Amino acid sequence: NAGVTQTPKFQVLKTGQSMTLQCAQDMNHNSMYWYRQDPGMGLRLIYYSASEGTTDKGEVPNGYNVSRLNKREFSLRLESAAPSQTSVYFCASRQGEKLFFGSGTQLSVL
Amino acid sequence: KNEVEQSPQNLTAQEGEFITINCSYSVGISALHWLQQHPGGGIVSLFMLSSGKKKHGRLIATINIQEKHSSLHITASHPRDSAVYICAVRKLAHSNYQLIWGAGTKLIIKP
Repeated sequence: NAGVTQTPKFQVLKTGQSMTLQCAQDMNHNSMYWYRQDPGMGLRLIYYSASEGTTDKGEVPNGYNVSRLNKREFSLRLESAAPSQTSVYFCASRQGEKLFFGSGTQLSVL
Repeated sequence: KNEVEQSPQNLTAQEGEFITINCSYSVGISALHWLQQHPGGGIVSLFMLSSGKKKHGRLIATINIQEKHSSLHITASHPRDSAVYICAVRKLAHSNYQLIWGAGTKLIIKP
């Protein structure tokens, strides 16, 4: 099992560019999450999906959109990147009380 | 004030020392998680607690619900324990398992 696979690992964007972060899990989990991690702060929830076809806003959803087209995949889209979105992004899935994380995407917006 | 506070922020110790990392929270919770983030960035779940104590190898996690406090202990610490340790809580009545995260404790174990 690969667990939670996240791509890309690194990305540099110019202000205003768009991109999609991909996340896939092979553990048949219903719940999936997108977080951002900034220095000195705890993880902050951007969006989550309780099941295929459903998504909900988290703590910091502005500037992002998500898509949960099937049970495996949960993508995060930045339509017009801003320097404030420079961060490390983590995708996670949940089974019961246990969370499984992807390896993260380090995004820089210049 | 953050709802989840960890202390210390940074901790450097010698190999073999007994390590304690603390997590205090100010809200009612149904569960508390301890996670480990390696220098490469990957995050791994260590424990989920709702009461009492759990042990896995050299790691021990305790929680005191009345005092709203949890500790993570590492016995016989080793350089490979160097990582950021993160505490996260699930608030009572919070839907779909949204967690509140501490900022993490960076631990360095020197050989």
